[in-house]
Amino acid sequence: GAVVSQHPSRVICKSGTSVKIECRSLDFQATTMFWYRQFPKQSLMLMATSNEGSKATYEQGVEKDKFLINHASLTLSTLTVTSAHPEDSSFYICSARAGTVEQYFGPGTRLTVT
Amino acid sequence: GENVEQHPSTLSVQEGDSAVIKCTYSDSASNYFPWYKQELGKRPQLIIDIRSNVGEKKDQRIAVTLNKTAKHFSLHITETQPEDSAVYFCAASQYPSTLTFGKGTMLLVSP
Repeated sequence: GAVVSQHPSRVICKSGTSVKIECRSLDFQATTMFWYRQFPKQSLMLMATSNEGSKATYEQGVEKDKFLINHASLTLSTLTVTSAHPEDSSFYICSARAGTVEQYFGPGTRLTVT
Repeated sequence: GENVEQHPSTLSVQEGDSAVIKCTYSDSASNYFPWYKQELGKRPQLIIDIRSNVGEKKDQRIAVTLNKTAKHFSLHITETQPEDSAVYFCAASQYPSTLTFGKGTMLLVSP
């Protein structure tokens, strides 16, 4: 149990375009979902926390208008990187929590902006 | 906010040896301490966790110890195998607050 999926696994886009990443909890209802960014050989950096039906809470330094997060249902959250630039290239990972303390991660999305 | 320090950053051991990774945290209110294993390009996987009302927890070759007074917790892996090679992250939180992660330890187990 506690499976989180993420789509796409890899995406390449051109500078200036937008990219949407989906995060789904497959076998449980996720009351809270988290979005992280991870650079090579570094730890996970929390970008935002989202609760179903509420606006996301962004960490300091994360641009709300650039990283749009929507938690439309108890099984789906999306992250849209708007007007992507090469510096946005990274590994984006979501995680989900079902109202208990355990947090389960998706497989990640490798974003490359050319 | 919470701050988690993790040591060492890299750890090399021979197959069959034990490996110990240590973390310290700053917020005495933190009550949940998970450990994640992340292989290259893969998702972090929860391997063991401990809550503040417990001092030690074991799961086969993996154990975690917690010292609340000193605000540190450790991951112990016995009889290491090459497939244990990965990056290990510790984390701390006071539920329902978000997890604060350490910077990770790259464990390399040589055959």
